[in-house]
Amino acid sequence: DAGVIQSPRHEVTEMGQEVTLRCKPISGHDYLFWYRQTMMRGLELLIYFNNNVPIDDSGMPEDRFSAKMPNASFSTLKIQPSEPRDSAVYFCASSLAGQGVSKNIQYFGAGTRLSVL
Amino acid sequence: GENVEQHPSTLSVQEGDSAVIKCTYSDSASNYFPWYKQELGKRPQLIIDIRSNVGEKKDQRIAVTLNKTAKHFSLHITETQPEDSAVYFCAASLRGSARQLTFGSGTQLTVLP
Repeated sequence: DAGVIQSPRHEVTEMGQEVTLRCKPISGHDYLFWYRQTMMRGLELLIYFNNNVPIDDSGMPEDRFSAKMPNASFSTLKIQPSEPRDSAVYFCASSLAGQGVSKNIQYFGAGTRLSVL
Repeated sequence: GENVEQHPSTLSVQEGDSAVIKCTYSDSASNYFPWYKQELGKRPQLIIDIRSNVGEKKDQRIAVTLNKTAKHFSLHITETQPEDSAVYFCAASLRGSARQLTFGSGTQLTVLP
């Protein structure tokens, strides 16, 4: 498996524009997580899905942020309108629940570095 | 909710020496504690984890210890090498599984040659 795949790797946009980040989880995984990483706040969990259903979005900073998971192999994180303070690295991670050594481990994608000018 | 504190924020050691990073957590219900390593510009990657039914776990040069009573856990790296230089994050699972992790603030480890 190629692991968790995120696109784009880098995104530069202007304030007020819509930004869409994409994630393909590891095939067969039933949990998907979106994180934001900044120097000031570290790694923050934004939202996570189980079997495509959003379970906890309490980490989403405000209504400008939204996330969807239309099927088991694809998720998006959208920011509309974007602001300079949204500049960060956004990671997607996936895991497979259950018993066993490899279960419940979160595997991270390479991240999307977002710069909002 | 869960709160994880990590110390120190930066750590420099000479190659071959040991490094220790410590974390404390607040929720006594947490029972899964992974450690992630993040090299510059790369993704966090799991290096070792421990569950609350175990007090210590080792994997070659790295080990993790857990004190449930005191609610703290530590990462130990022995015989450090320059390639160990990275940011290390501890995490705790709020609900007894790996589904929702709360991360510490990270430790920048630098191994000096």
